[in-house]
Amino acid sequence: GQNIDQPTEMTATEGAIVQINCTYQTSGFNGLFWYQQHAGEAPTFLSYNVLDGLEEKGRFSSFLSRSKGYSYLLLKELQMKDSASYLCAAMDSNYQLIWGAGTKLIKKP
Amino acid sequence: EAQVTQNPRYLITVTGKKLTVTCSQNMNHEYMSWYRQDPGLGLRQIYYSMNVEVTDKGDVPEGYKVSRKEKRNFPLILESPSPNQTSLYFCASSSYRQGERPTNEKLFFGSGTQLSVL
Repeated sequence: GQNIDQPTEMTATEGAIVQINCTYQTSGFNGLFWYQQHAGEAPTFLSYNVLDGLEEKGRFSSFLSRSKGYSYLLLKELQMKDSASYLCAAMDSNYQLIWGAGTKLIKKP
Repeated sequence: EAQVTQNPRYLITVTGKKLTVTCSQNMNHEYMSWYRQDPGLGLRQIYYSMNVEVTDKGDVPEGYKVSRKEKRNFPLILESPSPNQTSLYFCASSSYRQGERPTNEKLFFGSGTQLSVL
């Protein structure tokens, strides 16, 4: 079957570096997406990886290893506004998205 | 401004009373989709559409209907709502085109509809 796994919740302090992991099993693979979702709001696009390696975009970076079925989202210099849920989604061979349940990132006081 | 407009934002109804949630996009996207989001379960796809007059079932289509008579609109219809359809609903669209290799066709989401069925 198709499956996405990511941690339910993570906590971190302001200014920290946070790595959110995602493992996936899909029938075929056409890329992996990360979305950010603040409570009660719509998800917004963060990154897309289809080739192995690290893609950097400001404070956010995303990594993909296709052979391991593994991705991570790296957030640097954590800010208050980064408190949100982070959704991992893999696109299968039928171009359908398989979604993880999301990782809620909580900022420690 | 490029956007997906979804209405209403909040809706409280009673079991069995037909309702429609509207969705419209102004980006000329061919692909549109409906999701529901429940705590701990993530986004689950209800129906999707690759183009006008083409709709397909997602993972949880039971109890829902959709139509795609025009490219910009993709309404979600609940003919006889039940309490287990209480959820947060999102409409989304992307520039993905069927038959073409995807290249980062990100989804644009509407602002969501919080539905409560009593």
